[in-house]
Amino acid sequence: GAVVSQHPSRVICKSGTSVKIECRSLDFQATTMFWYRQFPKQSLMLMATSNEGSKATYEQGVEKDKFLINHASLTLSTLTVTSAHPEDSSFYICSAREGSGGVGHTDTQYFGPGTRLTVL
Amino acid sequence: AQSVTQPDIHITVSEGASLELRCNYSYGATPYLFWYVQSPGQGLQLLLKYFSGDTLVQGIKGFEAEFKRSQSSFNLRKPSVHWSDAAEYFCAGLLKTSYDKVIFGPGTSLSVIP
Repeated sequence: GAVVSQHPSRVICKSGTSVKIECRSLDFQATTMFWYRQFPKQSLMLMATSNEGSKATYEQGVEKDKFLINHASLTLSTLTVTSAHPEDSSFYICSAREGSGGVGHTDTQYFGPGTRLTVL
Repeated sequence: AQSVTQPDIHITVSEGASLELRCNYSYGATPYLFWYVQSPGQGLQLLLKYFSGDTLVQGIKGFEAEFKRSQSSFNLRKPSVHWSDAAEYFCAGLLKTSYDKVIFGPGTSLSVIP
């Protein structure tokens, strides 16, 4: 099956620093990638959707200047948490889809293993 | 608004017993539904999905789910639970937009008693 990797799996940083998380599709080309955030004991909340070569679409309430998303190639998307603060500590999960979705298409999303971010 | 709900926050079953996790959806159009499992500190693994066709869907690890349009439900079942099935289970629905997005239910935590 399709595999999605994330790096790093865990990161601890000081408040005020920036952290970059990578999401890679290993055996397929991901036209679309998604970034989710998950707080302890809670469900996944979609942060943004990115299509290769275009700007990400952010969900309501997500600060685009704080969570920078780049989807420069069909196999790599990055999420940069800028000027991280303790409240940004969370589990970040990406997913990737081969197609671009839309009516008539039902491409499956494949999820990465997640990145645990702790901001001190 | 389109949503996915899971009425049970936490369920405990004995090993070897049968399991049913409930999921309800609120959709205006044809739903595309999924069940995912998440072990502690891990990402999500797809158990099964329903897009169309046979309403009884077979998945991995011995799980199955039945789509019932009349009840707006997509319940997950397993005839005999193993201790390794203890995890968080998420029902999800695909919201068809210009780019699609998956809406997750709140999750059901499953504990298995030896």
